[in-house]
Amino acid sequence: DAGVTQSPTHLIKTRGQHVTLRCSPISGHKSVSWYQQVLGQGPQFIFQYYEKEERGRGNFPDRFSARQFPNYSSELNVNALLLGDSALYLCASSLLGLDEQYFGPGTRLTVT
Amino acid sequence: KQEVTQIPAALSVPEGENLVLNCSFTDSAIYNLQWFRQDPGKGLTSLLLIQSSQREQTSGRLNASLDKSSGRSTLYIAASQPGDSATYLCAVTKGGGADGLTFGKGTHLIIQP
Repeated sequence: DAGVTQSPTHLIKTRGQHVTLRCSPISGHKSVSWYQQVLGQGPQFIFQYYEKEERGRGNFPDRFSARQFPNYSSELNVNALLLGDSALYLCASSLLGLDEQYFGPGTRLTVT
Repeated sequence: KQEVTQIPAALSVPEGENLVLNCSFTDSAIYNLQWFRQDPGKGLTSLLLIQSSQREQTSGRLNASLDKSSGRSTLYIAASQPGDSATYLCAVTKGGGADGLTFGKGTHLIIQP
């Protein structure tokens, strides 16, 4: 079975632009979570979705938004990009949200 | 606010040694604890999940223990191999899931051939 997939792999954007990152969970998983990982740090929680509803939100500004589609895939949107948004963005899927989390390969975002 | 600390931050040992990585958390009201491995620039690979009611989990050469009351977990790696070189992260989650996983900064492990 395919694992969690994310697209694109790498992305370079300019300050002030908008970006959309995509994630497809493992088949049968109904929960998707998003994390931001800057170099040398552990991942920081951004959002969790379960059955297309937002279940949790981390301490990130309103420039960050997400949604989950009927097929359980998800998008993370970031508006008005800042240099500090440069990071590896990770998506995780799980059956119910509280159980074992499986991570995708990540999207490396560079903001110049 | 939950805080997770991992010690040591970095570790370099010769191949074949047994080693222990440590993880501590400040709020003992966790639902589960998960250990991950991360290779440079890559995503996270789940190694072991321990429910809050469990004391330990084993997978191959890996054994993870959990002492919830003292806020500690250890990851034991037996007979280390160069392929074990990676960053190891532990993460905890509370019931409800609204806070997601809270991660430590990781232990960067190098196994010398």
